[in-house]
Amino acid sequence: QKEVEQDPGPLSVPEGAIVSLNCTYSNSAFQYFMWYRQYSRKGPELLMYTYSSGNKEDGRFTAQVDKSSKYISLFIRDSQPSDSATYLCAIDGGSQGNLIFGKGTKLSVKP
Amino acid sequence: DAGITQSPRYKITETGRQVTLMCHQTWSHSYMFWYRQDLGHGLRLIYYSAAADITDKGEVPDGYVVSRSKTENFPLTLESATRSQTSVYFCASSVLTGTGEAFFGQGTRLTVV
Repeated sequence: QKEVEQDPGPLSVPEGAIVSLNCTYSNSAFQYFMWYRQYSRKGPELLMYTYSSGNKEDGRFTAQVDKSSKYISLFIRDSQPSDSATYLCAIDGGSQGNLIFGKGTKLSVKP
Repeated sequence: DAGITQSPRYKITETGRQVTLMCHQTWSHSYMFWYRQDLGHGLRLIYYSAAADITDKGEVPDGYVVSRSKTENFPLTLESATRSQTSVYFCASSVLTGTGEAFFGQGTRLTVV
């Protein structure tokens, strides 16, 4: 079992829809959880990070971590065509000093 | 310009050739990383470095060599390129682990024929 599992999609939604992106992870010791966004032919960029359990909100984006079920979520409200990108969940591997990424979910928001 | 830059952006090479991908960052970040991104696999760590002269293997290090004589540079060398090393390679840097904020370059698209 990979340490981080993410459904690669693709996911297509109409403009204005609420988008839910999800990942599961296997190691209960993980504490830092991130969402990266990657536009086509670009490098990933950090969208949000969350420490331990709970929610974090930034504008139209909400990151949620449920450590009891080892579940990470990203919600996008009022989705826009400019949100069309691949979204990667990531976990800080801690002692090894590296990020462990999910495979990414490709999102397309149609006008 | 401040940031992290990779060169070349695109490279085509032949099987068996040695290829070096360059990565340069201007922030003096201590941590640097090399990832490869492939369909069906996502981003996988090849090598990382916690500081100059300190490097360590990631998930998929075979066939690759790194060095870090200066904080700002972290070149990745494919000693004898194989078709399975056709991929998009990303270099990244971060100040420290724990916050998860790594800054990625634009990537190098490598094709081995």
